[in-house]
Amino acid sequence: QKEVEQNSGPLSVPEGAIASLNCTYSDRVSQSFFWYRQYSGKSPELIMSIYSNGDKEDGRFTAQLNKASQYVSLLIRDSQPSDSATYLCAVKIQGGYQKVTFGTGTKLQVIP
Amino acid sequence: DAGVIQSPRHEVTEMGQEVTLRCKPISGHDYLFWYRQTMMRGLELLIYFNNNVPIDDSGMPEDRFSAKMPNASFSTLKIQPSEPRDSAVYFCASRGGLQPQHFGDGTRLSIL
Repeated sequence: QKEVEQNSGPLSVPEGAIASLNCTYSDRVSQSFFWYRQYSGKSPELIMSIYSNGDKEDGRFTAQLNKASQYVSLLIRDSQPSDSATYLCAVKIQGGYQKVTFGTGTKLQVIP
Repeated sequence: DAGVIQSPRHEVTEMGQEVTLRCKPISGHDYLFWYRQTMMRGLELLIYFNNNVPIDDSGMPEDRFSAKMPNASFSTLKIQPSEPRDSAVYFCASRGGLQPQHFGDGTRLSIL
């Protein structure tokens, strides 16, 4: 089982809809969770981080974490064509160890 | 405010040649990470440094790969001899304290 799993997509949503991106992880001691956006040919860019169970909202983005189910998701409200990118889920385990493990990403396509 | 700077942006070379990738982290950052990204395996951590000292190189695929950080403002990733399966995008990232990682623009490496 991969440490961080994501559906590769593509996930296609119409402009203005809610895009829901999901991620599961295998290590129960994981403590920090991140969502990165990566445009084609560009480097990953951090858009959200979440550390405790529940929801965290930042503008049109909401990250949701459920540690019991080992599940983290990203919701994008009012999706725009500019949101079309690959979204990477990343997980960091507890403690001083600095390794962040990335999923392979979900490609999102927002259709105008 | 200069970000993480990587060079070269693109490298095309023949199998068996030595390849050297370079990275200048953000000034003041004490962690430096080297990643490799492929379609099949996603973004993989190869090695990371803390205060110029290699901390975890368990992601380095084999002895053909080596990395150094002679000072706080410079790191290299070397592949010798290179093989076609090393073709990928190589990212360098740095971070300071509890801040998130900042990625460079990457080096797109093609081994013929």
